[in-house]
Amino acid sequence: GIQVEQSPPDLILQEGANSTLRCNFSDSVNNLQWFHQNPWGQLINLFYIPSGTKQNGRLSATTVATERYSLLYISSSQTTDSGVYFCAVERRNNAGNMLTFGGGTRLMVKP
Amino acid sequence: DSGVTQTPKHLITATGQRVTLRCSPRSGDLSVYWYQQSLDQGLQFLIQYYNGEERAKGNILERFSAQQFPDLHSELNLSSLELGDSALYFCASSVISSTEAFFGQGTRLTVV
Repeated sequence: GIQVEQSPPDLILQEGANSTLRCNFSDSVNNLQWFHQNPWGQLINLFYIPSGTKQNGRLSATTVATERYSLLYISSSQTTDSGVYFCAVERRNNAGNMLTFGGGTRLMVKP
Repeated sequence: DSGVTQTPKHLITATGQRVTLRCSPRSGDLSVYWYQQSLDQGLQFLIQYYNGEERAKGNILERFSAQQFPDLHSELNLSSLELGDSALYFCASSVISSTEAFFGQGTRLTVV
């Protein structure tokens, strides 16, 4: 199956700092999503971005499908950004439409 | 709020027992997916239903089964529970294939 690798696995930031999270995948994809899992376990949709660039407030994401990677940018980080960030992809020519998740990046933002 | 509703939020049960987890997808979504999140395996796909029919299977144990009803809600049945089945179980839904999926709040299952 498709492999999804996220880096870094852990990240500690001071409030106000910027960061870039990376997601590499091993095959062509139909769908790529970024999620934030908050401390209560809820998976919150950040971006649906199989290709191109999107921005939502302090967050933005870029997917370069031909090179099989995606980047999530967090600017002016806040303590509420803490949690785990997951990248998930749907492989092209899949029998179904399931998402394969990366291992996540655990972010801690300190005040 | 994603619009996907899962019940119950928490469940504690003993080994050997059977439980049923319920999911109501977002209005209009035809696809329902079940995922398991455990500490050692991460987030893994279990099974997908599309408009009442099984569409794809992942790493779902034979002790586990699911179905999607005519009103599109879905149930995941877990039987002969073992300690290792303790995990967070998510349901997700999407309109059709290859569109954005939205996740419910999850059911945290603890097997004691």
